[in-house]
Amino acid sequence: QKEVEQDPGPLSVPEGAIVSLNCTYSNSAFQYFMWYRQYSRKGPELLMYTYSSGNKEDGRFTAQVDKSSKYISLFIRDSQPSDSATYLCAMSALAGGFKTIFGAGTRLFVKA
Amino acid sequence: DAGVTQSPTHLIKTRGQQVTLRCSPKSGHDTVSWYQQALGQGPQFIFQYYEEEERQRGNFPDRFSGHQFPNYSSELNVNALLLGDSALYLCASSLWGSFGSGNTIYFGEGSWLTVV
Repeated sequence: QKEVEQDPGPLSVPEGAIVSLNCTYSNSAFQYFMWYRQYSRKGPELLMYTYSSGNKEDGRFTAQVDKSSKYISLFIRDSQPSDSATYLCAMSALAGGFKTIFGAGTRLFVKA
Repeated sequence: DAGVTQSPTHLIKTRGQQVTLRCSPKSGHDTVSWYQQALGQGPQFIFQYYEEEERQRGNFPDRFSGHQFPNYSSELNVNALLLGDSALYLCASSLWGSFGSGNTIYFGEGSWLTVV
C-alpha cells in the first residue's frame, strides 16, 4: 500500500464549477499537508499549506485536513480554464526530517 | 529573491553513461532534496542533503548519488544510466528543522533527462 493515495483522474469540469480533489494517507505521523499545482513540463508550484487538522482558505482555494480519517481535500471554487493542471498532494512528518511524500497527482481539465 | 534554479533543463544520454544535474536552492534555504518524476507520476523522493551530508534516502539504488557544497548548492549523479531513468528530476529546497509557519519546500523547474 502506498503511503499517499491520489486518484490520477483525469477530472473534467465546466468553467465555474466547484472542484474537489482528495488524497488519503496511511502514516499517522504526517503533520504537514500541502497542495502543489504542476503545469505540463514544469516544476510543482506550492498552492496551499496546512498544519494538522482543519481548514484553510486562500482566495478560490480551500484546503481541508481530517487527520482522524487520514483524508485531505482541496476545493477550487469558480474554476477557470487556467486552473487546468495536475494537482499534487504532499505531506511531511517531523520524524524523519520532514521527508515529503507526494501523491500521484490528479489531472484537472476545466472546459471553457 | 532567487528561487530554486536547476541545470541543465534538458539533456539526452545513452544507456550506460553517467549524468550530473545541478541545483541552487532558494535564497536562505539550507536543505536540498531531489525527486524523480516519471511521466504521469508524482515526484518520488531520492535523497535529502543538509550540512553537506545525506540525511535521508528513498528507495533508489546506489547508482544515484549526490553532493552538497558549502554554499548549499547540490549535485545529483546517476551512473550506469538505464532507459528507466528517463524522467524529470526535481530539486527542492527548504530550511532544515523549521517546517511550519509557512516554511515548506519549493521546487525548481526540473531537468528533463532522456536515456536512449
